[in-house]
Amino acid sequence: AQSVAQPEDQVNVAEGNPLTVKCTYSVSGNPYLFWYVQYPNRGLQFLLKYITGDNLVKGSYGFEAEFNKSQTSFHLKKPSALVSDSALYFCAVRDISGGKLIFGQGTELSVKP
Amino acid sequence: NAGVTQTPKFQVLKTGQSMTLQCAQDMNHEYMSWYRQDPGMGLRLIHYSVGAGITDQGEVPNGYNVSRSTTEDFPLRLLSAAPSQTSVYFCASSLVGGAGEAFFGQGTRLTVV
Repeated sequence: AQSVAQPEDQVNVAEGNPLTVKCTYSVSGNPYLFWYVQYPNRGLQFLLKYITGDNLVKGSYGFEAEFNKSQTSFHLKKPSALVSDSALYFCAVRDISGGKLIFGQGTELSVKP
Repeated sequence: NAGVTQTPKFQVLKTGQSMTLQCAQDMNHEYMSWYRQDPGMGLRLIHYSVGAGITDQGEVPNGYNVSRSTTEDFPLRLLSAAPSQTSVYFCASSLVGGAGEAFFGQGTRLTVV
């Protein structure tokens, strides 16, 4: 069965510092991996995805993520955090058969000035 | 471009009442799904569909029914509401095949008293 783990409920970062939000996954075969962001009282917005190819994926708002097959990880990164990046971040996985999309429990990112 | 539209945005039900949460998308997406979001639990998949006439259970299907008579619509029915179903519900759609990102509605905040 597919599963996603986000080991940190909350990540605190100072503005201007690099940030990392961690995600590990379990799926049969090769995965499709996604990151979404949710601002208060809003729906989820797509940030980036890994399908195949280059292990470093670039997405919206300066975010990027690194796929590591041996560690079954897909960590979200940004070189320089902004206060406006403060939000809830979700990692998700779908197996390549195209079935259900499973989410992690979310990580609250707080960026302080 | 409407995307994914959920109605209503807010609802209060009494225990035992029934209701239907509506979800419609105008992107001709084959895959549609329903999630519930609870604090600390992330998004949990309730039911999903890979096309008209095809539905399947997700992680937390008990107490919910779905049907998919058209590509555009994927209603979620609560037959006898319980306080444990108090949650925020999100509908999402994507192309089937796995690689496409999911698009989310703005959510329905449901309270069962």
